[in-house]
Amino acid sequence: DAKTTQPPSMDCAEGRAANLPCNHSTISGNEYVYWYRQIHSQGPQYIIHGLKNNETNEMASLIITEDRKSSTLILPHATLRDTAVYYCIAGGDSNYQLIWGAGTKLIIKP
Amino acid sequence: NAGVTQTPKFQVLKTGQSMTLQCAQDMNHNSMYWYRQDPGMGLRLIYYSASEGTTDKGEVPNGYNVSRLNKREFSLRLESAAPSQTSVYFCASSELYGYYGYTFGSGTRLTVV
Repeated sequence: DAKTTQPPSMDCAEGRAANLPCNHSTISGNEYVYWYRQIHSQGPQYIIHGLKNNETNEMASLIITEDRKSSTLILPHATLRDTAVYYCIAGGDSNYQLIWGAGTKLIIKP
Repeated sequence: NAGVTQTPKFQVLKTGQSMTLQCAQDMNHNSMYWYRQDPGMGLRLIYYSASEGTTDKGEVPNGYNVSRLNKREFSLRLESAAPSQTSVYFCASSELYGYYGYTFGSGTRLTVV
């Protein structure tokens, strides 16, 4: 699995867009980029995933660069409830062993 | 739907004691996983079961055993607990290898003294 690199922490004002970057320069062509978040010490929650194209769902948007070496998770209108640790993971293609880094602690400020 | 249910939620063990963590999912998922999470760190895979009847080691299997009892249930056993196994344990399930994402339980907080 490709290793990902994320900033350890970020702040964002409530109501603004939160943009969380992730570098995955060694990602292989058949690996997806997955995003999860973990609120307090709860179990992680799946957010979104993508391969090449940008993706959007009810929670977030995922922007993947054309060379696939980095991506950005966008929470369009951050709320206090979005305060969490966000994990970016590269993996897939029948690989059951995802590698989880330490993630980015996102703090939404009033 | 309950999703993934883990029991117990909290447990304190003495060094050398044994215990089994239980996990059940009601989403008809084929694959199930056990992770541990130490403070300030990401999750590390202990064991996984790609489908009923199969189990495989993950990144940190030493000191643990697992049983895929049926499609719904996947248990994790600590035969002789050690302080280094103090951690939060998460069970998860997925279709395939997690293409559509994992669903996690709420965790078991285990302290070994």
